[in-house]
Amino acid sequence: AQSVTQPDIHITVSEGASLELRCNYSYGATPYLFWYVQSPGQGLQLLLKYFSGDTLVQGIKGFEAEFKRSQSSFNLRKPSVHWSDAAEYFCAVVNNAGNMLTFGGGTRLMVKP
Amino acid sequence: SQTIHQWPATLVQPVGSPLSLECTVEGTSNPNLYWYRQAAGRGLQLLFYSIGIGQISSEVPQNLSASRPQDRQFILSSKKLLLSDSGFYLCAWNTGAGYGYTFGSGTRLTVV
Repeated sequence: AQSVTQPDIHITVSEGASLELRCNYSYGATPYLFWYVQSPGQGLQLLLKYFSGDTLVQGIKGFEAEFKRSQSSFNLRKPSVHWSDAAEYFCAVVNNAGNMLTFGGGTRLMVKP
Repeated sequence: SQTIHQWPATLVQPVGSPLSLECTVEGTSNPNLYWYRQAAGRGLQLLFYSIGIGQISSEVPQNLSASRPQDRQFILSSKKLLLSDSGFYLCAWNTGAGYGYTFGSGTRLTVV
């Protein structure tokens, strides 16, 4: 069965600092990977996705993520964090049939002024 | 363009009362539809998914049920709510493995 682990439950960074959120997955085949962001009380917004090809994918809001098969990782990065980035971030993997999206436990990002 | 509607946005219900949450999708046909629940301070748990009218798969045994009476309508129900049913319920859709999931804005259910 597929699974996703986000080791960091909470992360606090200063505004303007760089950010990396960790994600490790377990899936037997080539994974389809996603990062979503959830602002308080809101639904989930897709930041970026990896299906194949270039292992460094660019997303919205200045985010990027790198797929590393050897490490089973799909870490999310941003070079300079803005206060509006404070939210909860979820990494997810979907099976090849596309009908089973599994989320990690989420990482809550807080941004200090 | 495709849109997903979920209502109500918030709901407060007494223990033992029934529940009906509705989700509809516009601008696409034969979508895969999903219900997720997010309990306070926890991640997202898949409750049900449907690949077609009348086809429902349940991922977690619970006090809830789902139905898909029309192609683009997905309903989450309960006959008698429990306190533990409180949470944030999210509906989502996709059209296959090559596409990401699109989520609705969610329903916050509080059972009192």
